Amino acid sequence: ILNVEQSPQSLHVQEGDSTNFTCSFPSSNFYALHWYRWETAKSPKALFVMTLNGDEKKKGRISATLNTKEGYSYLYIKGSQPEDSATYLCAFNDYTDKLIFGTGTRLQVFP
Amino acid sequence: EADIYQTPRYLVIGTGKKITLECSQTMGHDKMYWYQQDPGMELHLIHYSYGVNSTEKGDLSSESTVSRIRTEHFPLTLESARPSHTSQYLCASSDPYKETQYFGPGTRLLVL
Repeated sequence: ILNVEQSPQSLHVQEGDSTNFTCSFPSSNFYALHWYRWETAKSPKALFVMTLNGDEKKKGRISATLNTKEGYSYLYIKGSQPEDSATYLCAFNDYTDKLIFGTGTRLQVFP
Repeated sequence: EADIYQTPRYLVIGTGKKITLECSQTMGHDKMYWYQQDPGMELHLIHYSYGVNSTEKGDLSSESTVSRIRTEHFPLTLESARPSHTSQYLCASSDPYKETQYFGPGTRLLVL
């Protein structure tokens, strides 16, 4: 059974704080790891797709790293802003291209 | 920006009714997916399609059915809704070159 775990489940931070979340996934048959950002009442939006061990990707203040050998990825947000408040989902896929999602980390950034 | 639409956004319906959740995309993607999410839980794949006239069941067993008569349209049907079908349903499609799935805004279904 393929299992993707995310921690923490929720996080409350002050504006300006930096934060990070963890995604753990199976290290065998790895093909890609996806990060999505899901704001309330909107569609989940893709942040990153990562395929190579050691990959680091960055989009503005958000960055992600990938370790396929040990099966984890970190998502970092530098200087959190209220507009960063959302649920951050990670999803793993093997070579079948079906995504296995974690339950997400719900981030709330207070002004 | 991807364009994928779902209607209705919210639906409250009585037990035993037949319902169809609509999903359309304008990107010409061959692959489309339906996910179900209960509160606090993961998104689970319930159906997928790799093109017209292709439909498969996902990893989570579902009493719903799907059809794919046109590339852009992937509706999900429940013949007889039950309270256990209360959930959020998200539709997605994927671009074979970017390995990314694009999601619709979801339909929140409440069966009384």
